[in-house]
Amino acid sequence: NAGVTQTPKFRVLKTGQSMTLLCAQDMNHEYMYWYRQDPGMGLRLIHYSVGEGTTAKGEVPDGYNVSRLKKQNFLLGLESAAPSQTSVYFCASSDGTGGEETQYFGPGTRLLVL
Amino acid sequence: RKEVEQDPGPFNVPEGATVAFNCTYSNSASQSFFWYRQDCRKEPKLLMSVYSSGNEDGRFTAQLNRASQYISLLIRDSKLSDSATYLCVVIGTSGTYKYIFGTGTRLKVLA
Repeated sequence: NAGVTQTPKFRVLKTGQSMTLLCAQDMNHEYMYWYRQDPGMGLRLIHYSVGEGTTAKGEVPDGYNVSRLKKQNFLLGLESAAPSQTSVYFCASSDGTGGEETQYFGPGTRLLVL
Repeated sequence: RKEVEQDPGPFNVPEGATVAFNCTYSNSASQSFFWYRQDCRKEPKLLMSVYSSGNEDGRFTAQLNRASQYISLLIRDSKLSDSATYLCVVIGTSGTYKYIFGTGTRLKVLA
């Protein structure tokens, strides 16, 4: 099993450009999450999904959109990138059974917006 | 007050030392607690869960103090490989989203 994978690993964008980050998991997990991690801020939830076809806003959703068309994939889109979106983006998944479920993280995508 | 607070460190300790970190949380109704480990430029990975009765895994011991609303992580006989950032995670009870991450405590084990 590959676990959780993320594409791309690193990207440089100019302000105003758009891009999509792809997250894939092969553990048949129901729940998937997108976080951003910035120095001194910890992990902050952007959007999450509790199942195929469903998405919900997290703590910092502005400037991002997501889609979960297939259970194994969770896409994060930036329509018009801004320098404030320079960050490390982590995708995670969990089985959604509730209680003490473990979140499994992908390796991260480093995004630099100039 | 932040929902989950950690001392950012760094904690610099010699090999073989015992070190402990605390993490305080603000929601007294929180039900579940975890410690994750994050190596530099890597993803977080689950280290251990924190149970009301405490939890021990080799050199690592996690404890919960509900009265004072904090959890702790004790590392005995520190190894160089223990150098990492340790993230406290609290599962909240408000809203539909559960996981709340602390900003992490950085540990450096020195030879």
